[in-house]
Amino acid sequence: QQQVKQSPQSLIVQKGGISIINCAYENTAFDYFPWYQQFPGKGPALLIAIRPDVSEKKEGRFTISFNKSAKQFSLHIMDSQPGDSATYFCAANPGTYKYIFGTGTRLKVLA
Amino acid sequence: DTAVSQTPKYLVTQMGNDKSIKCEQNLGHDTMYWYKQDSKKFLKIMFSYNNKELIINETVPNRFSPKSPDKAHLNLHINSLELGDSAVYFCASSRSGTSGGFGETQYFGPGTRLLVL
Repeated sequence: QQQVKQSPQSLIVQKGGISIINCAYENTAFDYFPWYQQFPGKGPALLIAIRPDVSEKKEGRFTISFNKSAKQFSLHIMDSQPGDSATYFCAANPGTYKYIFGTGTRLKVLA
Repeated sequence: DTAVSQTPKYLVTQMGNDKSIKCEQNLGHDTMYWYKQDSKKFLKIMFSYNNKELIINETVPNRFSPKSPDKAHLNLHINSLELGDSAVYFCASSRSGTSGGFGETQYFGPGTRLLVL
């Protein structure tokens, strides 16, 4: 119940395409869902986050879609660019002082 | 100025040795964390500290001992290093206060790459 399942493990997209990464959770106590982006040799950095009272949040080319009834949420990267090539982690906040991270998706955007 | 800094960046050591990793944040945050990222990139929380007090210990072997001398620092000492300890260790911080870290951005350091031979 304390897991966040993320897929796919890796993703290759052509420049200009749409990258989609999916996450699913079981624990309904999870109440905050951030996405983190990690470049090689760097620490993860917050990309975008959503609370379950909204179904979608958009920031530039990045959109989170949230389906509370299905307990699923996804990250869409529109017009994917080579500079978006990184590892993406979904996460969930099941309570105080604790985050559960998904297993990560390595995205490669081909030029 | 770096928000969350860690030293050293790389650490190569022999099995059985004891080593420490230091972390400092200049964001004025109340809560700090240690994460372990294994070779498959899986990121798992180890410890959470709030106002210098241990809040979460995620069943980490007691060879790992965190210490928080003040709110801005959280160090990690590892005794009797084992091969399986090889990983990247990330320090992070968040503002917290009364929210308990809920719904907050975590700011990660650059990581310490530990290799145990």
